[in-house]
Amino acid sequence: DGGITQSPKYLFRKEGQNVTLSCEQNLNHDAMYWYRQDPGQGLRLIYYSQIVNDFQKGDIAEGYSVSREKKESFPLTVTSAQKNPTAFYLCASSGRQGNTGELFFGEGSRLTVL
Amino acid sequence: DAKTTQPPSMDCAEGRAANLPCNHSTISGNEYVYWYRQIHSQGPQYIIHGLKNNETNEMASLIITEDRKSSTLILPHATLRDTAVYYCIVRVNYGGSQGNLIFGKGTKLSVKP
Repeated sequence: DGGITQSPKYLFRKEGQNVTLSCEQNLNHDAMYWYRQDPGQGLRLIYYSQIVNDFQKGDIAEGYSVSREKKESFPLTVTSAQKNPTAFYLCASSGRQGNTGELFFGEGSRLTVL
Repeated sequence: DAKTTQPPSMDCAEGRAANLPCNHSTISGNEYVYWYRQIHSQGPQYIIHGLKNNETNEMASLIITEDRKSSTLILPHATLRDTAVYYCIVRVNYGGSQGNLIFGKGTKLSVKP
């Protein structure tokens, strides 16, 4: 089935460690996005990419890094520079097909820093 | 993108219609109204969107006022599985690849038996 797959679903890390969250889509979408969600809050944009080998910072990019070497993949690295990394991370994609501007989301990755 | 205002929470009895309001008084002529919902600890799910005409699909109906300054999402027969946070978002439809949407806190809908 077509969709977005995020892994891992749950992740624990120690302070000072970098961690990479995976996001893969088989929807043939050009654009991909990473959002962060804290308890009781809305979603905040971290990074987005509209095309392979190109990406832009969102509202809260500090302490994060991304790459977009393949159309299907948009991994997010949470670096040790991110002061409060414990959160729920959501990956999304959108494509030109249908022209609705609809975002398709993965199931999320919950990161806990111990 | 225009800002939206939604009530933080609402209750609805199972089997009844759930009417979720959204104010977007500063909406521009080329901005669409989008609705998403997020069930606890899952990714948001697209529900419906519209520009100025009322829209209906298998999930819900979207009623947009004539001046476009507000809209209402209607779930005609709410079930317990409709308990979720509902987000109203307005933005220009760039046609797919520029579909970044700004999610506020939304309305937490609780459907009760």
